Amino acid sequence: DIQMTQSPSSLSASVGDRVTITCQASQDISNYLNWYQQKPGKAPKLLIYDASNLETGVPSRFSGSGSGTDFTFTISSLQPEDIATYYCQQYDNLPLYTFGQGTKLEIK
Amino acid sequence: QLQLQESGPGLVKPSETLSLTCTVSGGSISSSSYYWGWIRQPPGKGLEWIGSIYYSGSTYYNPSLKSRVTISVDTSKNQFSLKLSSVTAADTAVYYCARHFRGFSYWGQGTLVTVSS
Repeated sequence: DIQMTQSPSSLSASVGDRVTITCQASQDISNYLNWYQQKPGKAPKLLIYDASNLETGVPSRFSGSGSGTDFTFTISSLQPEDIATYYCQQYDNLPLYTFGQGTKLEIK
Repeated sequence: QLQLQESGPGLVKPSETLSLTCTVSGGSISSSSYYWGWIRQPPGKGLEWIGSIYYSGSTYYNPSLKSRVTISVDTSKNQFSLKLSSVTAADTAVYYCARHFRGFSYWGQGTLVTVSS
């Protein structure tokens, strides 16, 4: 089974800061990685697919990069509405899926 | 706009079977190229993929749950269902249904299922 290690588990940042979250796969998954945002009490929302592609309607301050085993999710300028928990998810071996443990993002 | 809605009991007794249904509106569950899946989230914890069914009826399960999970589809009602047997308190979670291929792009709002006597 492919394991996903996401870090940090929590993060505190100020409005306007650049925020970075990483996700490491236990084996090469090419670019088969997605990123989600989950606000309290809500279902997750797909933000980034195939490691670096922005889902339609998602603000351009969100971005993703990486391939192989190491991936990065970035918010270029943190906004108050970005407070949420973020998850990575791999799909190297469709249709078996694994999520990272999540990163809780808070405003400092 | 595609919408998904979970339904089912919010309370299940230990050792019994959890049963949930996801009703799809705004699109056909028989659409090719998509999977219909279940994901759960224990209170305060992360997301766990449970399993999925393809429009053709093929099923795929998380190996850690495979022995207890059955997912089925009823195309006439545009619904798919989850059954999880022999539940324990560890199965208490918000259960989501979702449409997906590579990414889970459409989600239901989620339903909390508590396992307790």
